[in-house]
Amino acid sequence: DVKVTQSSRYLVKRTGEKVFLECVQDMDHENMFWYRQDPGLGLRLIYFSYDVKMKEKGDIPEGYSVSREKKERFSLILESASTNQTSMYLCASSLQRPNYGYTFGSGTRLTVV
Amino acid sequence: TQLLEQSPQFLSIQEGENLTVYCNSSSVFSSLQWYRQEPGEGPVLLVTVVTGGEVKKLKRLTFQFGDARKDSSLHITAAQPGDTGLYLCAGEGEYGNKLVFGAGTILRVKS
Repeated sequence: DVKVTQSSRYLVKRTGEKVFLECVQDMDHENMFWYRQDPGLGLRLIYFSYDVKMKEKGDIPEGYSVSREKKERFSLILESASTNQTSMYLCASSLQRPNYGYTFGSGTRLTVV
Repeated sequence: TQLLEQSPQFLSIQEGENLTVYCNSSSVFSSLQWYRQEPGEGPVLLVTVVTGGEVKKLKRLTFQFGDARKDSSLHITAAQPGDTGLYLCAGEGEYGNKLVFGAGTILRVKS
């Protein structure tokens, strides 16, 4: 069963902490994505990657960075967590061609206090 | 910027009723996908439509891609409580593999 695994389902962090969200996929997908999901705002793309060591900014990259050192792993980093980064974070992966759709992880619900 | 507008935002119906969710844009998409998301989980892909005018059926769910590839609809026949969830449409646009997501439709089916 193909899978995208996010390291934590729930996280509580303090304001100012550096936060790492990890995502691993076992499907040999080239593309990986990080979204945040907030009520009424839908899914908003933070960063994505088409290849190892490659990253592109999405629609809301401010306050975030990413790392992709290996094909199967895509990490999201909150450099200095703030309360407005409290959200559900979703990782996804896909093939480049053809696009059969995204496979999502189960999400990480992050609360910053 | 390509946008996808979904309607309605929220739908609450009785078991056995039919419903349709719409996804509209002024942009052309090379493909369109529908996902369902249950509370506390990530979205799960239901279907991908690629050809203008294409219709796909998945049990009681019927998906249609508009002729001009700018819109899509999801029709559910005889809805059941297990259909409850958030339905998202997503289009593959001019930037290739980066999908554009609609805001979603929350469906609640009461028994």
